[in-house]
Amino acid sequence: AQSVTQLGSHVSVSEGALVLLRCNYSSSVPPYLFWYVQYPNQGLQLLLKYTTGATLVKGINGFEAEFKKSETSFHLTKPSAHMSDAAEYFCAVSAWAGTALIFGKGTTLSVSS
Amino acid sequence: DAGVTQSPTHLIKTRGQQVTLRCSPISGHKSVSWYQQVLGQGPQFIFQYYEKEERGRGNFPDRFSARQFPNYSSELNVNALLLGDSALYLCASRSAQGDPTDTQYFGPGTRLTVL
Repeated sequence: AQSVTQLGSHVSVSEGALVLLRCNYSSSVPPYLFWYVQYPNQGLQLLLKYTTGATLVKGINGFEAEFKKSETSFHLTKPSAHMSDAAEYFCAVSAWAGTALIFGKGTTLSVSS
Repeated sequence: DAGVTQSPTHLIKTRGQQVTLRCSPISGHKSVSWYQQVLGQGPQFIFQYYEKEERGRGNFPDRFSARQFPNYSSELNVNALLLGDSALYLCASRSAQGDPTDTQYFGPGTRLTVL
């Protein structure tokens, strides 16, 4: 069975500071990994995904994530936070791209000026 | 192009009632999935349909059912509503199934409140 654990339900950073949102996964098969962002009263928007190939994945809005198989991790980072980054972030895993996504419980990112 | 659309936006029902939620995928997308997002939690997978056939089902009771129409739109039905069914119901579409480069695109959701 697959599962996702997001460490820290709430992360607070100052504008301009590094953003680090942690995600660990469990999968018995090579995983496909995703980060989605959800703004208040909206659906989910894909930030980035890892399927195969390069383990450092770049996404939209300056975010990137690195797949580390040995650590079963897929942490999301952004060098410099903007106020507009404040939102709920979800890490998700699937056995392959065509199957259902298994989501973590989410991390709320707050950005202060 | 329009994204994934869902209707209605909000819905209030009472316990024991039945509800139908609707989803229209992105034009050209043949696969639709449904997710339930309870407040403060991540989305949970309910159903996946591809080419009008059920291709996956999550751990939800039989009160939940869905179908996909020839135009690839989809309906989610929930019977005998319980208070615990109150949630944001998300629909997601993708172009195909099994393509590693494929992405699921989510709609804005339907907020269901059961009183």
